[in-house]
Amino acid sequence: DVKVTQSSRYLVKRTGEKVFLECVQDMDHENMFWYRQDPGLGLRLIYFSYDVKMKEKGDIPEGYSVSREKKERFSLILESASTNQTSMYLCASHPPGGWTEAFFGQGTRLTVV
Amino acid sequence: LAKTTQPISMDSYEGQEVNITCSHNNIATNDYITWYQQFPSQGPRFIIQGYKTKVTNEVASLFIPADRKSSTLSLPRVSLSDTAVYYCLVGDMEYGNKLVFGAGTILRVKS
Repeated sequence: DVKVTQSSRYLVKRTGEKVFLECVQDMDHENMFWYRQDPGLGLRLIYFSYDVKMKEKGDIPEGYSVSREKKERFSLILESASTNQTSMYLCASHPPGGWTEAFFGQGTRLTVV
Repeated sequence: LAKTTQPISMDSYEGQEVNITCSHNNIATNDYITWYQQFPSQGPRFIIQGYKTKVTNEVASLFIPADRKSSTLSLPRVSLSDTAVYYCLVGDMEYGNKLVFGAGTILRVKS
């Protein structure tokens, strides 16, 4: 089975802290994605990466950065956490070529206090 | 990526067939149509994918008319456990393309 694993299920951080959310996939997928999900807003794309060291902004990149040093790992970084970044964060991976299914991690519920 | 439009929510009862329609008027020739299901506090899960006509698997059927400007996800005999958000996505996942979700359709199944 394909596995996308997010490092934490629940996380509580203080305002101003630098926060790292880690995502690892085991299927050698080129494409990886970070989303946040808030009630009534669906999944919003923050950043995505289609290759090692490659990254592209999604729809809401402000306040976030990413790192992809290895193919299997895609990290989301909150440079200085703020309370409006309290959310559910979801990572996904997907092979390129035509259209197949994307695989999601279990999500990280981040609370910034 | 083609823009999609789905109903915001739908209600149904156990044992009924549920059809959720998605409009995608500007679908491109290379685009596929894919549906995902998401339960609370979980990531979305792939349900079904198609290009044209009809596709069926153990979970659902997907109906796509000849003009491909819409598609209908059909869930036979729903149960309470089918209560979830259903997303319709249209696009092709060639190198460098985004995977963008809309707001989805909240399906509530009642007993």
